[in-house]
Amino acid sequence: AQKVTQAQTEISVVEKEDVTLDCVYETRDTTYYLFWYKQPPSGELVFLIRRNSFDEQNEISGRYSWNFQKSTSSFNFTITASQVVDSAVYFCAWGQGGKLIFGQGTELSVKP
Amino acid sequence: ETGVTQTPRHLVMGMTNKKSLKCEQHLGHNAMYWYKQSAKKPLELMFVYSLEERVENNSVPSRFSPECPNSSHLFLHLHTLQPEDSALYLCASSQGTSSYEQYFGPGTRLTVT
Repeated sequence: AQKVTQAQTEISVVEKEDVTLDCVYETRDTTYYLFWYKQPPSGELVFLIRRNSFDEQNEISGRYSWNFQKSTSSFNFTITASQVVDSAVYFCAWGQGGKLIFGQGTELSVKP
Repeated sequence: ETGVTQTPRHLVMGMTNKKSLKCEQHLGHNAMYWYKQSAKKPLELMFVYSLEERVENNSVPSRFSPECPNSSHLFLHLHTLQPEDSALYLCASSQGTSSYEQYFGPGTRLTVT
């Protein structure tokens, strides 16, 4: 069965620090997708990125970057120069055929 | 309205009540989902609808009854709930079920007393 593990339950950083959120997944499938979502205090999950299992190219979007390594089954997320507005719960998810398996989430607190 | 909307945002109900949660998506998607988010637990997929047909029922108790009258609307009918059903119920939609990204609504915070 598929499983997503986000070992970091809570992380606290000071503004402008870089922070990496870890995500490790388990699957026997060869074709799948990986996602990151942000859940601010308002509660609505915000889609950040989707990668397919055949594309290990790292991606950068502004202050956000993602490192997908199939060899270690990891899909880590780095925020550079964190800001207070980045404070939220971040979820990593594994997906296939419309089914998403979420990790437990990492609560990030960015202090001024 | 844009994106995915859910009403009500908050709901308190007794165990003998019957209530319904409503979700509407304005994105032209043809797949919709219900998730349950309990404190300290990962999001749990409850139901998946594709083109108004239920394609997945994730072992959800029968006291939760979904309804999808068209591709833009999704309901979750609730009856004789238990206190452990208190949670945030999230609706999502996607372009299809082939692992497209899902877009979520703000959720309904349900408290069962």
